[in-house]
Amino acid sequence: AAGVIQSPRHLIKEKRETATLKCYPIPRHDTVYWYQQGPGQDPQFLISFYEKMQSDKGSIPDRFSAQQFSDYHSELNMSSLELGDSALYFCASRRGAEKLFFGSGTQLSVL
Amino acid sequence: KQEVTQIPAALSVPEGENLVLNCSFTDSAIYNLQWFRQDPGKGLTSLLLIQSSQREQTSGRLNASLDKSSGRSTLYIAASQPGDSATYLCAAPGGGATNKLIFGTGTLLAVQP
Repeated sequence: AAGVIQSPRHLIKEKRETATLKCYPIPRHDTVYWYQQGPGQDPQFLISFYEKMQSDKGSIPDRFSAQQFSDYHSELNMSSLELGDSALYFCASRRGAEKLFFGSGTQLSVL
Repeated sequence: KQEVTQIPAALSVPEGENLVLNCSFTDSAIYNLQWFRQDPGKGLTSLLLIQSSQREQTSGRLNASLDKSSGRSTLYIAASQPGDSATYLCAAPGGGATNKLIFGTGTLLAVQP
């Protein structure tokens, strides 16, 4: 069965650079979520999209933006990267109130 | 605002033991609760989803219960194995337009061979 696909798996950037993370949800899932997980921390909700429209916003810095495209894939754009942005970034998707499925994550390291 | 707490933060047991992981949530107006497993540096694997209309959900050696009135859920692991070693996270809906999940801080489980 198809899973949530994230790319890249690993990303190394320098301070003040820009990063773009991609997420391909499971087909026919109507909601996409982005989470950030720092070392030793629980996942923190960033932002979500329902049917390509932003539907909810969490603790996402103004330097970050996200969108969902017509083919349902989503991208998280992070600008002016800071050392503290180093974390695992997860995308998750689900249909309605069913199980939430996570991708394998993108490990972002900001040097 | 939904807050999710997990106890204990870490647990070490010998192989073969049965164990219980605890999860508490503050907003009991939830429609389901989900348990996940996470291996170091890896993604989250969904283990069990319990609907609010259910009291229990079972998958293999795992059994999760949900008591909305007391704001608690437990994950029971029978006959633990070294391969069960991981962090276990529970997550409850946090409200809002899409009911994003709010995660607990997890229980780090080590099963000793």
